[in-house]
Amino acid sequence: NAGVMQNPRHLVRRRGQEARLRCSPMKGHSHVYWYRQLPEEGLKFMVYLQKENIIDESGMPKERFSAEFPKEGPSILRIQQVVRGDSAAYFCASSASDEQFFGPGTRLTVL
Amino acid sequence: QQQVKQSPQSLIVQKGGISIINCAYENTAFDYFPWYQQFPGKGPALLIAIRPDVSEKKEGRFTISFNKSAKQFSLHIMDSQPGDSATYFCAASMGAGGSYIPTFGRGTSLIVHP
Repeated sequence: NAGVMQNPRHLVRRRGQEARLRCSPMKGHSHVYWYRQLPEEGLKFMVYLQKENIIDESGMPKERFSAEFPKEGPSILRIQQVVRGDSAAYFCASSASDEQFFGPGTRLTVL
Repeated sequence: QQQVKQSPQSLIVQKGGISIINCAYENTAFDYFPWYQQFPGKGPALLIAIRPDVSEKKEGRFTISFNKSAKQFSLHIMDSQPGDSATYFCAASMGAGGSYIPTFGRGTSLIVHP
C-alpha cells in the first residue's frame, strides 16, 4: 500500500516562473491538505480539499496560489509568478478521518 | 487565533535519558492531539496521538500525558536513543464537526548524544 506520493521532490524555478506541485493521496483517502514549511519553523496550513472541492483555503495567499483536486489524478498546488519568498518545503497530507499521513515533500527553490 | 505553544525549542539528552516536550493549547474544542516526528529532508510521520477522554497513552518508549483542565499535553521519550534525534511537532485538531485541520506547534529539535 503506497503512501502519499509527491513530485517532484525538488523543484528549481526562476523568479516569475510557475511552479506545479503534485500530490497523490493514499489509496482510499479522499481528503488532501497542503502545508508549507520554512526552515526552523513548523507546518503552516494552506488548503484543504476533497475531490473536486476546496473545503478550506484560509491559509492560502490570496494571489498567485491555487490548488485543485480533480476527480481523476493527483492534487495540484500551483504557484504563479514565483518570488524568492516562495522558497520552502511544501508537504501534502491525506486522510480518511483525523489521522493525517504526510508525503515526503517538494522542496521549492526560487532563484 | 487558535494556537498551540510548544516548548522547548531545542533539547539535548544523553542516551538512555528521558526526553520531555510540552505543548499547550487554547481552544477547548480540540479533540485530537497527535505528535509527529520529522527527520531532515523527510515528511512528518505520525508518532502517537491521544484524545481527551484519556489522560495517558503509551506506545513502546513513547508516552503522551494529557491534562484537560490545564489544556496541556506532553510527549515523553523513555530510554532516548541517538536514532530518536529528530524534530518533533505537537498538533491539535477538531474532528467531528470540525475539519480535521491540525494546528501545529513550532517544533522541538531533539538531539540524543550517544
